[in-house]
Amino acid sequence: QTVVTQEPSFSVSPGGTVTLTCGLSSESVSTSHYPSWYQQTPGQAPRTLIYRTNIRSSGVPDRFSGSILGNKVALTITGAQADDESDYYCLIYMGSGIWVFGGGTKLTVL
Amino acid sequence: EVQLVESGGGLVQPGGSLRLSCAASGFTFNSFAMTWVRQAPGKGLEWVSVISGSGGNTYYADSVKGRFTISRDNSKNTLYLQMNSLRAEDTAVYYCAKRDVGGQYYMDVWGKGTTVTVSS
Repeated sequence: QTVVTQEPSFSVSPGGTVTLTCGLSSESVSTSHYPSWYQQTPGQAPRTLIYRTNIRSSGVPDRFSGSILGNKVALTITGAQADDESDYYCLIYMGSGIWVFGGGTKLTVL
Repeated sequence: EVQLVESGGGLVQPGGSLRLSCAASGFTFNSFAMTWVRQAPGKGLEWVSVISGSGGNTYYADSVKGRFTISRDNSKNTLYLQMNSLRAEDTAVYYCAKRDVGGQYYMDVWGKGTTVTVSS
């Protein structure tokens, strides 16, 4: 059973930069996993941020960026704002029609 | 405007069944794969199932395989999730999501979700 790991929580100051990561228990994350990122605030549906590692979805501010960082995939928020305080989930395509979400990172901006 | 609207959630006893629906509009429904994603109370997102545009290919998470069936009616622009042998751990908000145009393997549009509660 593949496990996708994310930091459970992270904190960033307003205007600061934070990098959230997403890894696999069994192998390195690569572009071949088509990693994507989603933002969710309490009581709301997820919002698509990044797909195919580093492509921003329509309407997503350019302070959000994606990359491969070592054996993981990363979401970086540059110049964090108060309304970036959310849960962030990565989604990994494992092939053969199967996807797995990471456990999510709760980001606090304070 | 692309829109997905889920319905069919509710309270069901353990061992019972429920069918969720997702009405799609604003895009050519039969051209896109569709997925179900769920979120248990206070927990993270969990991918549940996906179906191809034609309906000919379906895939499931191990946690629901053999109990849930995804299907679609392209004439009605509607996605379904038939859930049988329900367990307490199936309690969640169920979201339908549209897959990307192809080749990017992500979900680009989400519904607002419908809540399923499995309890006696």
